[in-house]
Amino acid sequence: ETGVTQSPTHLIKTRGQQVTLRCSSQSGHNTVSWYQQALGQGPQFIFQYYREEENGRGNFPPRFSGLQFPNYSSELNVNALELDDSALYLCASSLWGAYSPLHFGNGTRLTVT
Amino acid sequence: AQSVSQHNHHVILSEAASLELGCNYSYGGTVNLFWYVQYPGQHLQLLLKYFSGDPLVKGIKGFEAEFIKSKFSFNLRKPSVQWSDTAEYFCAVNPVSSGTYKYIFGTGTRLKVLA
Repeated sequence: ETGVTQSPTHLIKTRGQQVTLRCSSQSGHNTVSWYQQALGQGPQFIFQYYREEENGRGNFPPRFSGLQFPNYSSELNVNALELDDSALYLCASSLWGAYSPLHFGNGTRLTVT
Repeated sequence: AQSVSQHNHHVILSEAASLELGCNYSYGGTVNLFWYVQYPGQHLQLLLKYFSGDPLVKGIKGFEAEFIKSKFSFNLRKPSVQWSDTAEYFCAVNPVSSGTYKYIFGTGTRLKVLA
C-alpha cells in the first residue's frame, strides 16, 4: 500500500508571497486533514476535506485554504505569507469517520523570510 | 477550550528502564485517544489507539496505554525501553461529538534512551 506523500519537502518563501503544498493520500483513503506543526509544538489542526468539501476548520485565518480532488489528493494554499507561518505542514489521510486513525506524510518544511 | 497536556517534555532513560509518559486532556464528552511516535527523520506513526472497551490497550513494539476516564488521562507505558525507542511521542485526542474528526495533539515528549 502506498503511504501519504507530500511535496515539496522544503520550501523558502518571502513574506507576502503565496504558497501551494501538495499531498497524495494513502490508497483507499477518502479524507484528508492538514496540520501545522511549529517548532517545539504538537501538530495543530488546520482543516479537513471529505468529498471535496471542507469539513471543519481549526483556528486559522481564511488566507489558509485547501482543495481536495476526485482522486482524494489535496492542496493547501496559504496567501499573504507571514513570518509566523514558518512551520512543518503535515498532511494526513484516513477513511471518513471517527474510528479511522490518521496516517501522516513526512511533511513540508516551510520557511518564510 | 479543548487541550491535551503532556507534562514530560524531555525524558532520558537507560536501556531496560521502565517508561511512563503522562497525557491528560480537557474535554467532558466521549473521546478517541491515540499515541503517535516520530522516530528521527521519519513521519508520525500510530503507536496505539483507544476507542472503547478495555481501558488497557496494547500497541506496537511492546507499548501499552491505560485510559482512566475519571482522571482524563491516557498514559503511555513500556516495561523495558530499548535504544531504538528514542523518538518523540505525541498524545492526541479526538472529541467524538465534535462533528469534525480533528485531533488535538499535546506538545510531545522527547525520549532519549541511552545504550
